[in-house]
Amino acid sequence: DAGITQSPRYKITETGRQVTLMCHQTWSHSYMFWYRQDLGHGLRLIYYSAAADITDKGEVPDGYVVSRSKTENFPLTLESATRSQTSVYFCASRAEAQRNTIYFGEGSWLTVV
Amino acid sequence: AQRVTQPEKLLSVFKGAPVELKCNYSYSGSPELFWYVQYSRQRLQLLLRHISRESIKGFTADLNKGETSFHLKKPFAQEEDSAMYYCALRSTSYGKLTFGQGTILTVHP
Repeated sequence: DAGITQSPRYKITETGRQVTLMCHQTWSHSYMFWYRQDLGHGLRLIYYSAAADITDKGEVPDGYVVSRSKTENFPLTLESATRSQTSVYFCASRAEAQRNTIYFGEGSWLTVV
Repeated sequence: AQRVTQPEKLLSVFKGAPVELKCNYSYSGSPELFWYVQYSRQRLQLLLRHISRESIKGFTADLNKGETSFHLKKPFAQEEDSAMYYCALRSTSYGKLTFGQGTILTVHP
């Protein structure tokens, strides 16, 4: 089930640094999503994309930037990392026709010190 | 606005006991609800969806529109059921999911 992969899996960075989390899927899915997972908050949507060059904000977009120049990639950038962005980040994708099936990556553990 | 609430952050049961993970939702339209499971350090995976009326790994969930609930149940819990469980509601636009806060289920031997 390696169709959607995230890198790096684990990252420690300092406050104020820029960090980019990569997400790559091999299914040519139209839709891609970034979620963050925090205890007590569950999973919250950061950004999503319906197709290449189409992105939109989710529930908690502040402090994050995304791009989708190619269908298969959906990188998430923290422009100036803060401690509150310490979290586990999950990328997900789904095909346009499969509205009920979303596939998740394995997650990226990010610690901001 | 759509919202999913899982009132229990932690739930502990003994092996063989019944388990119920609660999920309540608020949504103005006709809801599409799901349960996702995340085993330790693994990716989230779909457990079941309400439209399928299926039983997966002994779990079932019934949509109760009157009570706006979608509780997950299993009559006899197993140790391998220990995981984080998320209830989710699908928006009609873009298929993006709104998740509850999650419930950590621990099944003791």
